[in-house]
Amino acid sequence: KAGVTQTPRYLIKTRGQQVTLSCSPISGHRSVSWYQQTPGQGLQFLFEYFSETQRNKGNFPGRFSGRQFSNSRSEMNVSTLELGDSALYLCASSPDEGVPYEQYFGPGTRLTVT
Amino acid sequence: AQSVAQPEDQVNVAEGNPLTVKCTYSVSGNPYLFWYVQYPNRGLQFLLKYITGDNLVKGSYGFEAEFNKSQTSFHLKKPSALVSDSALYFCAVRDSTGGYNKLIFGAGTRLAVHP
Repeated sequence: KAGVTQTPRYLIKTRGQQVTLSCSPISGHRSVSWYQQTPGQGLQFLFEYFSETQRNKGNFPGRFSGRQFSNSRSEMNVSTLELGDSALYLCASSPDEGVPYEQYFGPGTRLTVT
Repeated sequence: AQSVAQPEDQVNVAEGNPLTVKCTYSVSGNPYLFWYVQYPNRGLQFLLKYITGDNLVKGSYGFEAEFNKSQTSFHLKKPSALVSDSALYFCAVRDSTGGYNKLIFGAGTRLAVHP
């Protein structure tokens, strides 16, 4: 099976702009989670989607949002970008059944805000 | 709240020597514990997990981890380090607060294996 894919891999945006990142999970996986990785804060959970519904959310401001489509592909959006949003954004998919919570990560999208 | 701690920012080891990357956890209930590795400009790769059963868990690339309930530790080990093992290692615990799962990660430990 193909792994988790994320597009784009690299992105440069200006403060105040918005950005949309995309994630395609492993075929058959219905759960998609997003994490933010920064040198200062480490890896932090953003949110999780399952069957097109957000069912878990981390402690991030409302500028961070996401959605999931019927084919399980997911997008996350960050509006009104701030310099502190510069990070590696990782997507992870999980079958959510059987194997107890094994997550498979994509390569990430590196966002730089200038 | 669930948490994990990785007390070492960096671990240095000579190639061929055994390596240990430390992790301690704090959870309510039974812990689900994981180790992931991250190579430069890559996502996280799953190494191994502890759910229940034997305290010694074997994983990918020759890595293993020892679950110690009394010391609340889950240290990652390998008998003989390779230069190619040099990477960033993350310990994680499952947090099921609210009925749904997410991973809580440690700060990471950079492993440097020297020839």
